[in-house]
Formats: sequence, structure tokens, C-alpha cells
Amino acid sequence: GQNIDQPTEMTATEGAIVQINCTYQTSGFNGLFWYQQHAGEAPTFLSYNVLGGLEEKGRFSSFLSRSKGYSYLLLKELQMKDSASYLCAVNNAGNMLTFGGGTRLMVKP
Amino acid sequence: DTGVSQDPRHKITKRGQNVTFRCDPISEHNRLYWYRQTLGQGPEFLTYFQNEAQLEKSRLLSDRFSAERPKGSFSTLEIQRTEQGDSAMYLCASSQTGSNSPLHFGNGTRLTVT
Repeated sequence: GQNIDQPTEMTATEGAIVQINCTYQTSGFNGLFWYQQHAGEAPTFLSYNVLGGLEEKGRFSSFLSRSKGYSYLLLKELQMKDSASYLCAVNNAGNMLTFGGGTRLMVKP
Repeated sequence: DTGVSQDPRHKITKRGQNVTFRCDPISEHNRLYWYRQTLGQGPEFLTYFQNEAQLEKSRLLSDRFSAERPKGSFSTLEIQRTEQGDSAMYLCASSQTGSNSPLHFGNGTRLTVT
């Protein structure tokens, strides 16, 4: 079976750093994706990690530990426009993405 | 690259009616996916195609749902005898072959069954 867990909601302050965690238990593993989804819009791709370790891309970084079934998305220098849902998704061996429920991040001034 | 487009953007129908949605993927992408998303939840996998072949279908998917991709380009998703529980956002996505290829999503079709 597939199980992907993320916190439902988080709140952070503009300019701060926030870490969004994701734990997974899946029958196969072919990489982990993070997506951003603003209300009423389509999810957009943020990062992909398969070997493990830290992947940095501008203000966003993602970390993966395959041995622990754990990933996090780190957002630095938060801006108001970062208020969105952040979706963790695992690519199983069948090349099918299974999504977690998403973490709704609210950035306050 | 004009992105993934879906039509219609919104559909309101009465319970028991049939509805059909269309998705046009990014032209060079040979994989096409359908997902369903309800408010406050992540997208739930429905089915996926590689070219015209339907390779995977969710076991949770009712037999009222059917999808086609006849020429390996656009796809249609049909829901027969709609129920109120079918109300959701239906998202289409496409990707290139490869486990590291990200899915590119369309803006979805929002279905409301009254």
C-alpha cells in the first residue's frame, strides 16, 4: 500500500524559514517530488530527488532520506506569495505519482 | 509549448447525467495522467496512458469512469450516471518518459453534480 503523511497546515512569518516534512511508506520508490499549488490553480513542479541528500534551487531546498522514508522542503526568506499548498508525491515503481494530502502554508506579515 | 489545456473549466450537471472532459497534453509528452482532487486534499490518481495505451487504472475507480486516448494525443474522461460524490476538480497532467520527468498539470475541470 501507499501512505504519505504531511502536516495539514503551517503558519510562518514573512522573511523567516519554514520546513515542511513528509514521511512515506510505499510499495516501490522511484523518486520523490515536491509541488506547489496556489488556491484554484494547478500544481507546479518544485523539485525531484531520488538518490537522497539535499537539492538546492534558489530559496527552495529539498532533502531526502531513502533509508528513513523521509523528506522535507525548506523555504527560505519567505514571501507572501509563498502562501500555498505544498504537495509531496512519491513515484512508485510503476511510474505513477502518489500524492500526500498537502500542507497549506500561510505566510503572515 | 502551450502547456496542458483542459476543457471545459467548469461543468455543472444534474445527478444521473453523463459528462465528458477533454485534455490536450504538451505535444512532445507521451504520458498522460488523470487525477481527481477534492478541497483540502492532494490529487488522487485515476488512470494513465503511455501513448494510446492505458497502462494503469486505479482500483478505486468506479466502472462509471472511462478514459480514452485514441491517437496518443488528446484524451477524454467520461463519467456516466454522475453522483454527487463525483463533484471534484479533475486534473490532467502530461510528462515525458522517465521516472525523473515531472508531471505538468492543466488547470483542471471543476465538476459540480447537483
